[in-house]
Amino acid sequence: KNQVEQSPQSLIILEGKNCTLQCNYTVSPFSNLRWYKQDTGRGPVSLTIMTFSENTKSNGRYTATLDADTKQSSLHITASQLSDSASYICVVMRGTSYDKVIFGPGTSLSVIP
Amino acid sequence: DADVTQTPRNRITKTGKRIMLECSQTKGHDRMYWYRQDPGLGLRLIYYSFDVKDINKGEISDGYSVSRQAQAKFSLSLESAIPNQTALYFCATSDSSGGGYYEQYFGPGTRLTVT
Repeated sequence: KNQVEQSPQSLIILEGKNCTLQCNYTVSPFSNLRWYKQDTGRGPVSLTIMTFSENTKSNGRYTATLDADTKQSSLHITASQLSDSASYICVVMRGTSYDKVIFGPGTSLSVIP
Repeated sequence: DADVTQTPRNRITKTGKRIMLECSQTKGHDRMYWYRQDPGLGLRLIYYSFDVKDINKGEISDGYSVSRQAQAKFSLSLESAIPNQTALYFCATSDSSGGGYYEQYFGPGTRLTVT
């Protein structure tokens, strides 16, 4: 079954601290993996996209890693800010058509002062 | 979000009523999608359209219908709303010439409550 699982479900960290969010998938055939940030009441916004051949991608304080062999990805947030409080969604595209995109349930991150 | 707009942003309706959610985009993209989001679940695809004459069912199309009035407009209808259709609905767009990444851009969402 094609699935995307994320952990933890929720996370609370102090401002300035780092954190890592996990994504495990069983989607096949794999096309690409992306991480989205979804602020409360807003639509998801793409942070990074990685294809099979990419194992690291950075976007400012966000760094995503991909291990296609173990089918795992992580999103590392450095020096967290209050504005990082959001849901982070891992999305895996199966094949090349957008009718085959699997969304994870998201990790809810709260950054507190 | 400004490139993809959704109306209404919030809607409360009664069971059995017909309701239409509208999506417009100024990105010039050819592909448009409707998703629903429920607490604790990932977004699920309802319908998608690769151009004005190409409309396809997604994972959870039962109880929904769509209309692609123009390249920039894609509407989602609930013919007879039921309470388990209470959810957050998102419209998204993508460009088929996106070089293989097929980046999707999401609207701000419509919160629908069926009582």
